[in-house]
Amino acid sequence: AQKITQTQPGMFVQEKEAVTLDCTYDTSDQSYGLFWYKQPSSGEMIFLIYQGSYDEQNATEGRYSLNFQKARKSANLVISASQLGDSAMYFCAMREGGGGSYIPTFGRGTSLIVHP
Amino acid sequence: DADVTQTPRNRITKTGKRIMLECSQTKGHDRMYWYRQDPGLGLRLIYYSFDVKDINKGEISDGYSVSRQAQAKFSLSLESAIPNQTALYFCATSDLRLPSGSLEGLGSYNEQFFGPGTRLTVL
Repeated sequence: AQKITQTQPGMFVQEKEAVTLDCTYDTSDQSYGLFWYKQPSSGEMIFLIYQGSYDEQNATEGRYSLNFQKARKSANLVISASQLGDSAMYFCAMREGGGGSYIPTFGRGTSLIVHP
Repeated sequence: DADVTQTPRNRITKTGKRIMLECSQTKGHDRMYWYRQDPGLGLRLIYYSFDVKDINKGEISDGYSVSRQAQAKFSLSLESAIPNQTALYFCATSDLRLPSGSLEGLGSYNEQFFGPGTRLTVL
């Protein structure tokens, strides 16, 4: 079973609108962390945001926020006021604390296209 | 200068050839990783290393080997390249210890830092 599921292979959004990219995860650990990375067409991987499993508030970083619903095991990325430069692949990842390995597992990604 | 560098950035080779991809980092991190990215499959872990004397297989290690020559260097080898190893390869690093707190999930984090990637084509 996949540990990280991103069900949206592709998403489209109009410039200046908000968009939500879905991510669900599967773990039995109490201690884990969730990450989102952005990969523009140039190929590099850019860290966006982190949510810890014990964090009571949703993480925010500028126009990025993480809608963390622990009971539903979802960690959706919300991008507000989309910009053309937001067009990219977005990857959700989870790092579990159990066993001490802390090795991240990545989802398959969502391609976001922002239209002018 | 980039913190994590990979060489070469692009490589085209033929089936059966031995290929080495190199990764260097200046971040002083203990942990280094090799991933491959295929369209629609995300990033899959090939090997990882927690320190110079530690090498661990990841999800898809068959057909690959690695060498951790120093804390800053982690090389990936394809002993006999085959066409289905055509992919984008990433090296990444992260710190061993969480910056505050002792448990993952306490609001502190050590994200991975990725190299620019090596695009490998095996004909």
